[in-house]
Amino acid sequence: AQTVTQSQPEMSVQEAETVTLSCTYDTSESNYYLFWYKQPPSRQMILVIRQEAYKQQNATENRFSVNFQKAAKSFSLKISDSQLGDTAMYFCAFMKPWGTSGSRLTFGEGTQLTVNP
Amino acid sequence: GAVVSQHPSWVICKSGTSVKIECRSLDFQATTMFWYRQFPKQSLMLMATSNEGSKATYEQGVEKDKFLINHASLTLSTLTVTSAHPEDSSFYICSAPPGTGSPLHFGNGTRLTVT
Repeated sequence: AQTVTQSQPEMSVQEAETVTLSCTYDTSESNYYLFWYKQPPSRQMILVIRQEAYKQQNATENRFSVNFQKAAKSFSLKISDSQLGDTAMYFCAFMKPWGTSGSRLTFGEGTQLTVNP
Repeated sequence: GAVVSQHPSWVICKSGTSVKIECRSLDFQATTMFWYRQFPKQSLMLMATSNEGSKATYEQGVEKDKFLINHASLTLSTLTVTSAHPEDSSFYICSAPPGTGSPLHFGNGTRLTVT
């Protein structure tokens, strides 16, 4: 079974600064997907960024980028130029390719990020 | 993009009654729907996986007689909380994969309060 660990329950950052959220995972699979989801107070799940394990290049989406270290099973999220609207719970998640046996999203415990003005 | 519509967004019911939550895939066929439960300030915990045309698969510790799941069609999955009790109060959210390689799409969730 896969496990996802987020060791930072809470983090805070000043507006316009950069913050990095940590995530580690454990799996015996060689091909998989990793995701970061954002959950604001509305509790809607919003996909921030995803990474395919077979791609060595780190994914980026505007101010959001990841540092994917496959050997270390680490998948951190960097948010640059933090904005007040980034305040939310962030979940790291793992999934085997859809269609493979037992494919489902496994979530980490979450990190509550607060961006201060 | 692919959209999952979940209703109701919130519901208050009395202890002992049943509540039905619906999730519809609006522009794709969802042969599978995942149902999650989330307590305040906690992560999403998978309760069960519904599959169109077959029985749902429940995670360990989830009472299948209490949380009835029906996947009636390729676009509709329902979760019924039967004989609800205050401890069933939680946030329930569904998600479905629109296709291979695509990330799961989530409904907006249902906040259930049992009084």
